[in-house]
Amino acid sequence: SQQGEEDPQALSIQEGENATMNCSYKTSINNLQWYRQNSGRGLVHLILIRSNEREKHSGRLRVTLDTSKKSSSLLITASRAADTASYFCATAYTNTGNQFYFGTGTSLTVIP
Amino acid sequence: DGGITQSPKYLFRKEGQNVTLSCEQNLNHDAMYWYRQDPGQGLRLIYYSQIVNDFQKGDIAEGYSVSREKKESFPLTVTSAQKNPTAFYLCASSSGMRFRKDSGIVPGELFFGEGSRLTVL
Repeated sequence: SQQGEEDPQALSIQEGENATMNCSYKTSINNLQWYRQNSGRGLVHLILIRSNEREKHSGRLRVTLDTSKKSSSLLITASRAADTASYFCATAYTNTGNQFYFGTGTSLTVIP
Repeated sequence: DGGITQSPKYLFRKEGQNVTLSCEQNLNHDAMYWYRQDPGQGLRLIYYSQIVNDFQKGDIAEGYSVSREKKESFPLTVTSAQKNPTAFYLCASSSGMRFRKDSGIVPGELFFGEGSRLTVL
């Protein structure tokens, strides 16, 4: 399977703290994307990082990519209760055309 | 507003029945996807379509069928051959398709519908 893995599976933090979640993938990628999913809802795109980029920022989100380790991390700074959700990474591999492979997700709980 | 609409949101099926999940998008996207989500397993790709009248199997296509007769629509049929159909089904479409010399057409971000939850009674 080309499915990636994320860790931790679950993360619980206090409001105002930073949350870091990691994603590992299998082979060479075109790009890696992070998505958020509120319980029982569809996924929402957060940020895309291309294979030739190492870091990207969007508001309180910071994504890094290490292609030598085949891993990415998502940092959410100054977390809020509204950030409570599941977060998934999705990879577009160079040898699989338009297919996206999702990780198993990290369930984040931000305690007010 | 532009987006993806899935229906129904909840669906119950008796064993042995086929059911069809609807997915419509007005984003003018060429590519559309169906994913299945089970607890603790993330999303798994069932089928995807890059253009009208064309589609490819994903990792778990057995027991499912699709059609892509119109750009806007990509319905998924869960057949009686699917042994464990109870799951949350998500439809998505892709924007930002572009050609890269070293890797062909490169996918952009996915836009998701709100999902359909299928329960087998």
